[in-house]
Amino acid sequence: AQKVTQAQTEISVVEKEDVTLDCVYETRDTTYYLFWYKQPPSGELVFLIRRNSFDEQNEISGRYSWNFQKSTSSFNFTITASQVVDSAVYFCALVNRDDKIIFGKGTRLHILP
Amino acid sequence: DVKVTQSSRYLVKRTGEKVFLECVQDMDHENMFWYRQDPGLGLRLIYFSYDVKMKEKGDIPEGYSVSREKKERFSLILESASTNQTSMYLCASSFRVERDGYTFGSGTRLTVV
Repeated sequence: AQKVTQAQTEISVVEKEDVTLDCVYETRDTTYYLFWYKQPPSGELVFLIRRNSFDEQNEISGRYSWNFQKSTSSFNFTITASQVVDSAVYFCALVNRDDKIIFGKGTRLHILP
Repeated sequence: DVKVTQSSRYLVKRTGEKVFLECVQDMDHENMFWYRQDPGLGLRLIYFSYDVKMKEKGDIPEGYSVSREKKERFSLILESASTNQTSMYLCASSFRVERDGYTFGSGTRLTVV
């Protein structure tokens, strides 16, 4: 079975704090792809990052970074020096062999001013 | 920029009405998807299509149907709307899912009264 688990339903942090959103996935495929999406209050899901199973390098993009560890089947997302504009729902996702995306249930992140 | 346009942002319909949710994409994508998003349940796949006139059931197709007469347009139909179909509906499209992920529309919040 393929599954994505985001154990944190809701997180609140004060602005400028660092925050990590956890994502654990299950798949029997050796080739797979992982994604993170952001859903701001406007509603539209926005693509953040894609990772394939052969690329375990961590990635940094500005204040965002991603830690992919196959050994623990995790693909965690860290926001450094959080800002109020980071408040959103964040989804981790896995592409299965049928070319459909399986989403986690999302983590609602509140950045408090 | 790829655009996925959903015809209505907010919609209120009465129980028993036939409801059409329209989705149009402008980048010649083969693959199109309809999801519904509910609190605590995340995104659930209703129907998808990999080509014109082709449709496949997702995880929760009951009470819905779809139409794809043209490549750019994927319509979701609620045959007889019920209150439990009150939800946020998200349309997405993709060229190659594993490479590109999805591009989402901004969603239609449907209320059935």
